[in-house]
Amino acid sequence: GESVGLHLPTLSVQEGDNSIINCAYSNSASDYFIWYKQESGKGPQFIIDIRSNMDKRQGQRVTVLLNKTVKHLSLQIAATQPGDSAVYFCAESSYSNTGKLIFGQGTTLQVKP
Amino acid sequence: GAVVSQHPSWVICKSGTSVKIECRSLDFQATTMFWYRQFPKQSLMLMATSNEGSKATYEQGVEKDKFLINHASLTLSTLTVTSAHPEDSSFYICSAGPTREQFFGPGTRLTVL
Repeated sequence: GESVGLHLPTLSVQEGDNSIINCAYSNSASDYFIWYKQESGKGPQFIIDIRSNMDKRQGQRVTVLLNKTVKHLSLQIAATQPGDSAVYFCAESSYSNTGKLIFGQGTTLQVKP
Repeated sequence: GAVVSQHPSWVICKSGTSVKIECRSLDFQATTMFWYRQFPKQSLMLMATSNEGSKATYEQGVEKDKFLINHASLTLSTLTVTSAHPEDSSFYICSAGPTREQFFGPGTRLTVL
């Protein structure tokens, strides 16, 4: 069935370094991808999204890259801060599938001071 | 961004009782809302799509008679866990959005004793 997976369950980085979180998806019909940040006991918080007609999108300190050829998505966080410590999820959506989101497994980002 | 609220934020109930969780879109109207369940250290699993004015669409494996969904207005969807059992203990999260971008509620922690 449809699935979105992540390569690394835990990523530990030093404060100030750049972080890269990866995600693989399997549904070639997906046309919308989102990264969410979830802190303990809270709902997911939108970080950045990208549509399938793009391969890169930048936000404030974050960049999302989409490689449709290999069905790969990545989130880059520049100058990682302690406040970035959380679980990060990628999610994919297909307009033809009512727009519902399918979530990946999640990566825990730990930022060491 | 758009704001989605949930109530209650946590609930403890006895086995066999029913629990209702509310999801509200505060500053936009939502014809569609989504309900997710999340177990500890796991990803979000889509349970159902709540459709205003019509029946909800349930994902495979989700019992529609156990998880009753009502979307009576454009700003409110409710999830009722009927005859709750300890295995229903989980973090329930809803999402909605004025466009394809989904905003999540803060979640409801359900503990069934």
